[in-house]
Amino acid sequence: NAGVTQTPKFRVLKTGQSMTLLCAQDMNHEYMYWYRQDPGMGLRLIHYSVGEGTTAKGEVPDGYNVSRLKKQNFLLGLESAAPSQTSVYFCASTPGYEQYFGPGTRLTVT
Amino acid sequence: DAKTTQPPSMDCAEGRAANLPCNHSTISGNEYVYWYRQIHSQGPQYIIHGLKNNETNEMASLIITEDRKSSTLILPHATLRDTAVYYCIVKTAGANNLFFGTGTRLTVIP
Repeated sequence: NAGVTQTPKFRVLKTGQSMTLLCAQDMNHEYMYWYRQDPGMGLRLIHYSVGEGTTAKGEVPDGYNVSRLKKQNFLLGLESAAPSQTSVYFCASTPGYEQYFGPGTRLTVT
Repeated sequence: DAKTTQPPSMDCAEGRAANLPCNHSTISGNEYVYWYRQIHSQGPQYIIHGLKNNETNEMASLIITEDRKSSTLILPHATLRDTAVYYCIVKTAGANNLFFGTGTRLTVIP
């Protein structure tokens, strides 16, 4: 099992550009999550999904969109990147109790 | 979800037990206590969770006080690879959000 993988690992964007972060899991988990982590802070939930075709807002959803077209994939989109979205983004999935996290995507918006 | 309070940092000698405290005085009856850790720049890793009984697995032990207002994570024989930020989180079984605070930065000293 590869577990939870994230693509890309690093990305630099200019303000106003768009991009999509991909999260994939091969554990057949129903639940998937996107978090962001700013320097010196804990993780904050952006959006989550409780199953294929469903998504919901988390604690800090503004400026982001998500899609879960396939059970194994959860995409996070930034339509018009802003410097405030510079952060490390983590994806996670869970079968119920414990969450399994990916290695993270480090995004810088200049 | 109830809030948690953890010391910002702790040191532990290699080979000794590391005891990490967490205060969750407003925990409600259906909230579990979870522990995760985050080794530098990596995604968080699940360690253990419990409701009211003490729990043990291959990584650690979780001791929850009888009134459930505090708990202690015990790493029985700390190694240098246990140096990380440890997060104590309380949440209900069905809740989708993990509220990460700033955690305790544990440094294992040779």
